[in-house]
Amino acid sequence: DAGVTQSPTHLIKTRGQQVTLRCSPKSGHDTVSWYQQALGQGPQFIFQYYEEEERQRGNFPDRFSGHQFPNYSSELNVNALLLGDSALYLCASSSGSYTDTQYFGPGTRLTVL
Amino acid sequence: EDQVTQSPEALRLQEGESSSLNCSYTVSGLRGLFWYRQDPGKGPEFLFTLYSAGEEKEKERLKATLTKKESFLHITAPKPEDSATYLCAVQRDKIIFGKGTRLHILP
Repeated sequence: DAGVTQSPTHLIKTRGQQVTLRCSPKSGHDTVSWYQQALGQGPQFIFQYYEEEERQRGNFPDRFSGHQFPNYSSELNVNALLLGDSALYLCASSSGSYTDTQYFGPGTRLTVL
Repeated sequence: EDQVTQSPEALRLQEGESSSLNCSYTVSGLRGLFWYRQDPGKGPEFLFTLYSAGEEKEKERLKATLTKKESFLHITAPKPEDSATYLCAVQRDKIIFGKGTRLHILP
C-alpha cells in the first residue's frame, strides 16, 4: 500500500519565481492538506482540499494557491517567491471526515535564493 | 486564540531512563489530539490519536494520555532509536501543531 508521495524532493528557486509542488494521497484517502515547516518549528497549516475545493485555509497570503484533481492528487503553487518561503513543505492525506488522522508524505525542501 | 505548547523543548536521556513529554493546549471544542514522531528532514510519522479526556493509547515503549488541558507522551525504557522530535497537534476546525520536543537518547 503506497503511502503519501510528494515531488520533487528538493527544489532551489530564486526570489520572484513561481513554484509548483505535487502530492499523491495515500490509497483510499480523498482529502489533502498542505503545511509549511520552517526549521525548528512545527508544521503550519496552509490549506486543505476536499472534493476538488479548498475547504479550509490557514493564515497564508494569496501567493499560496492550490488545486485538487479528480484522482485526489494535489498541487501547491507559490508565486512571487520570497526568501522567507524557504521551508519543508508537507502534504498530508486523510478521509473526508474532519477528525480523521492525517498521514504525512516525506516533504519537499524548498530553498529560495 | 487556540494554542499548543510543548515542553520541554529538548530532552536528553540515558538509554533505559523513562520520562514524559508534555503537550498543553487551549482549544475549545477539541475534536482530536495527535502525536507524531519526526526524524530530521523527513515527514511526521503518525503515532496516536486521542479524542476524549481519560483516553490512553500504547504502542511499544510509548503511551499517550489525555486530560482536558494537556496530553502526556510517556516513554518507558527508551532506546537510541527513539531519538527524534515528537510533535503534538490539536484539532478544532483546523489542525494546530506545537513546536515539538527534541528527544535524544544516549546509549
